[in-house]
Amino acid sequence: DIQMTQSPSSLSASVGDRVTITCRASQSINTNLNWYQQKPGKPPKLLIYGSSTLQSGVPSRFSGGGSGTGFTLAISSLQPDDFATYYCQQTYGTHWTFGQGTKVEVK
Amino acid sequence: QVTLRESGPALVKPTQTLTLTCTFSGFSLSTSGMCVSWIRQAPGKALEWLALIDWDDDKFFSTSLETRLTISKDTSKNQVVLTMTNVDPVDTATYYCARTYAYDTTGYYDDYWGQGTQVTVSA
Repeated sequence: DIQMTQSPSSLSASVGDRVTITCRASQSINTNLNWYQQKPGKPPKLLIYGSSTLQSGVPSRFSGGGSGTGFTLAISSLQPDDFATYYCQQTYGTHWTFGQGTKVEVK
Repeated sequence: QVTLRESGPALVKPTQTLTLTCTFSGFSLSTSGMCVSWIRQAPGKALEWLALIDWDDDKFFSTSLETRLTISKDTSKNQVVLTMTNVDPVDTATYYCARTYAYDTTGYYDDYWGQGTQVTVSA
């Protein structure tokens, strides 16, 4: 299986901060990488697909990039609604996997 | 309007077979590009991808669970069924189904999710 490693596992930030989360794949996955946001007790919400394409309706403060084995999710100016857990997901081949998640907490 | 709803037993005994049903509306699994996936989340843990079935009846499975999983679809009923054999307490989790869309020849994303169904495995 392709292992997805997110860093950091958690971070503390303030409203208005720029936040960057990294996701690393154990082998090349081209740009078959999605990002999701999850809040407690709720299903995940798709933010970005294909490494860098913003899903319809997602605020433009979210951006993604990378290819091969290294990917990033950035939030340009953290808003109160953005405190949540973020997951990357690889969809390369036929055995997909998620990262272990990054929890963004209030500083 | 796309909706998905998971259903199945809340409590299952160890070694039994778990059967979960995803009932959806707003799309057809016979339409090119449409798929349904199953994902689970143990309490306080990360998401774990389980399986997918696509419009062409192709099936993908988690490597670690593929010997225990079966996935099937009933296009006329708009349902996808996941079965997991020989369950264990470590299979206790919230199980989600999601609409998965193949946006190109190799890229997929999960854009609509059900609310999830909680399954506990205990004697």
